[in-house]
Amino acid sequence: GAGVSQSPSNKVTEKGKDVELRCDPISGHTALYWYRQSLGQGLEFLIYFQGNSAPDKSGLPSDRFSAERTGGSVSTLTIQRTQQEDSAVYLCASSSRPPNSNQPQHFGDGTRLSIL
Amino acid sequence: AQSVAQPEDQVNVAEGNPLTVKCTYSVSGNPYLFWYVQYPNRGLQFLLKYITGDNLVKGSYGFEAEFNKSQTSFHLKKPSALVSDSALYFCAVRDSGAGSYQLTFGKGTKLSVIP
Repeated sequence: GAGVSQSPSNKVTEKGKDVELRCDPISGHTALYWYRQSLGQGLEFLIYFQGNSAPDKSGLPSDRFSAERTGGSVSTLTIQRTQQEDSAVYLCASSSRPPNSNQPQHFGDGTRLSIL
Repeated sequence: AQSVAQPEDQVNVAEGNPLTVKCTYSVSGNPYLFWYVQYPNRGLQFLLKYITGDNLVKGSYGFEAEFNKSQTSFHLKKPSALVSDSALYFCAVRDSGAGSYQLTFGKGTKLSVIP
């Protein structure tokens, strides 16, 4: 099926290293979201892309976090100089309609990031 | 600002019994409300949504939810629970106003259906 695809599914790295997480949304979906899910917590919004508009980065927790979306499709979330508190599951979602629509978001299975 | 509360971290129910997972919300305008389910090591899967119209919304896998505006609630229900319903359930809300796109999620409720 052509769902949201995220890679890698698991990533273990040492504190201080940089990591890149990839999201391939459903074809044709113009909206793309990144969330962080920590153990026992809900989903924390990180960043939102809509078409060619400037992304909403208001949820990024620090300047070590950045994301880009190339060609309106694949997105990469980068965390620089990782810290142990960055350990979490990073979820990507996409949706098919303009931002204020009532369409649900479709989620990938996430990347489980562990910082040693 | 918008918010969601799921007052129960965990709900236990016997197989075959009805289940309810509670959700209350707060938005400045009219709400769009969603329920998602998450199985272990998986992403969130859409169950159902309330946009407008009938207060009782039916969704996937026999789940339904009732929108109650006066109580600002959107509780998830199922008449007869299955062991396979055991999972983490998230309620989410978005303001229906133009330009609003951020979904706010509750912290989740772990549902355990006991055989």
